[in-house]
Amino acid sequence: DQQVKQNSPSLSVQEGRISILNCDYTNSMFDYFLWYKKYPAEGPTFLISISSIKDKNEDGRFTVFLNKSAKHLSLHIVPSQPGDSAVYFCAASAREGAQKLVFGQGTRLTINP
Amino acid sequence: ETGVTQSPTHLIKTRGQQVTLRCSSQSGHNTVSWYQQALGQGPQFIFQYYREEENGRGNFPPRFSGLQFPNYSSELNVNALELDDSALYLCASSSQSQGLDGYTFGSGTRLTVV
Repeated sequence: DQQVKQNSPSLSVQEGRISILNCDYTNSMFDYFLWYKKYPAEGPTFLISISSIKDKNEDGRFTVFLNKSAKHLSLHIVPSQPGDSAVYFCAASAREGAQKLVFGQGTRLTINP
Repeated sequence: ETGVTQSPTHLIKTRGQQVTLRCSSQSGHNTVSWYQQALGQGPQFIFQYYREEENGRGNFPPRFSGLQFPNYSSELNVNALELDDSALYLCASSSQSQGLDGYTFGSGTRLTVV
């Protein structure tokens, strides 16, 4: 039962353009969402998060949008840079109980010069 | 401030054997979580330790067990290894005060079971 889904295994974007990564979830108990970036041979690193009481959170070039009614969130990166090439994971958590993250399968983003 | 360190980085084991993976948490963090990342998948929650007690467990069989020590470092033990246990094992440390944004992952241990 995949509670968090990233339906695009890969995405290729030209440098300077906008990258949009999508994530869907099924569990209505999730109330906190995070995006992580992962390079090969490294652990995931935190990028940006959003609480379910908000619909947008922005940090520099990164913006996360949350549509609770559609159970959908997206990460926008603008402008995209070559160093953004990595695997991006969406993760969700329900505040009750352990600090447990449920991850999507990941999307490999490639930024082309 | 040191990050999360995991050892070993790689190892190869034979089916049926037992393995112990180690994790040193980031300074100031009192909670350790373990995740299994199979090839092409996202990390899956195995369990979490807080103040040396198990504080939540995912859908993993009892042959996956763990420990947390007074210095907040942790071990993941897997008995009776199966081929499907081949994966990247990630440790993450956090503190209750920092919340989920403070979750910090190590680089992982790549386990191959043959």
